[in-house]
Amino acid sequence: AQSVSQHNHHVILSEAASLELGCNYSYGGTVNLFWYVQYPGQHLQLLLKYFSGDPLVKGIKGFEAEFIKSKFSFNLRKPSVQWSDTAEYFCAVTSFGNEKLTFGTGTRLTIIP
Amino acid sequence: DAGVTQSPTHLIKTRGQHVTLRCSPISGHKSVSWYQQVLGQGPQFIFQYYEKEERGRGNFPDRFSARQFPNYSSELNVNALLLGDSALYLCASSSQAGSTYEQYFGPGTRLTVT
Repeated sequence: AQSVSQHNHHVILSEAASLELGCNYSYGGTVNLFWYVQYPGQHLQLLLKYFSGDPLVKGIKGFEAEFIKSKFSFNLRKPSVQWSDTAEYFCAVTSFGNEKLTFGTGTRLTIIP
Repeated sequence: DAGVTQSPTHLIKTRGQHVTLRCSPISGHKSVSWYQQVLGQGPQFIFQYYEKEERGRGNFPDRFSARQFPNYSSELNVNALLLGDSALYLCASSSQAGSTYEQYFGPGTRLTVT
């Protein structure tokens, strides 16, 4: 069975700081990886996704993530955060033949102006 | 274009009652999935339907059931409600079934069981 771990439960940063949120997954086969974001009062929306190819993927709003197969990781990064990045961030995985999204527990990001 | 819509927005029920939640997918999308998000947790998969057939079921009791209609809208039914069923119920649609198709989420239905 596939599973996802997000070890940072709550991250507090000042504006312009760099961000890295950890995501590790557990599954032995080929995976598809996703980062979703949930802004306060809004629905879940896709930030970026990795299916194959270049392990460094770029998403919306300046976010990027790197797939490191040997570490079973898919960490989310942003070089300079803004107050508007305050939100809950979820890492998720699907796999061939297992289409359901398996989510991590989420990381709450608070940006201090 | 309208996104995924869900109704009602909020719902308060009493233990033992039954509830029906509704979802309309994005126009042209044939797959609908349901997720339960308990406060402080990530969404957990409940069901997936594609072309009106159940394609996947998560680890939820038989009190949970769902169906998809010919217009691809979907209902999630929960019988004999427990306090632990209090959660945000999310519906997601995708154009096709398959692990690489992006799922688009609706705003959710907030269910409170008292």
